[in-house]
Amino acid sequence: AIRMTQSPSSFSASTGDRVTITCRASQGISSYLAWYQQKPGKAPKLLIYAASTLQSGVPSRFSGSGSGTDFTLTISCLQSEDFATYYCQQYYSYLYTFGQGTKLEIK
Amino acid sequence: QVTLRESGPALVKPTQTLTLTCTFSGFSLSTSGMCVSWIRQPPGKALEWLALIDWDDDKYYSTSLKTRLTISKDTSKNQVVLTMTNMDPVDTATYYCARKGPTGTFDYWGQGTLVTVSS
Repeated sequence: AIRMTQSPSSFSASTGDRVTITCRASQGISSYLAWYQQKPGKAPKLLIYAASTLQSGVPSRFSGSGSGTDFTLTISCLQSEDFATYYCQQYYSYLYTFGQGTKLEIK
Repeated sequence: QVTLRESGPALVKPTQTLTLTCTFSGFSLSTSGMCVSWIRQPPGKALEWLALIDWDDDKYYSTSLKTRLTISKDTSKNQVVLTMTNMDPVDTATYYCARKGPTGTFDYWGQGTLVTVSS
């Protein structure tokens, strides 16, 4: 199975900051990469698919980039509602796999 | 409007078989390209994909769990059922069903159902 590794596992930031989360695949996955946001007690929410395509209704401060094995999720100006856990997920292989998550906390 | 809802027991005993039902609306699993998947999340841990069934009744399973899982669909009822045999306390998790649609990945999720495995 393709292994997805996110970094960092957690970090603290302030409202208004620009933050970047990285995700690395153990083998090339072209652009078959999605990002999800999950808040406590809630289901994950799709933010970005195809590495850089914003899901309908997701604010434009979220953006994604990358292809092959290295990907990033950027939040350009953190809002209070953005503090959550973020997961990357590959769908290149039908053996879908998720990263371990990045918990974004308020500084 | 697409919605999915998981149902099933909140508590199962070790060695028992778990049966979960995903009831959905707003799309048809007989439409080409549509799929429904099951994904779980142990408390405080990451997401783990379990199984997927597509519009053509093709089925895919997690390599590590495939001997214990069965996924099926009832298109007329808009339901997908997952069974997992020989439950163990490590299988305690919130179980989600999700649609795989035109985006190619999981664009709509149910709210999840917590299953605890304990004697």
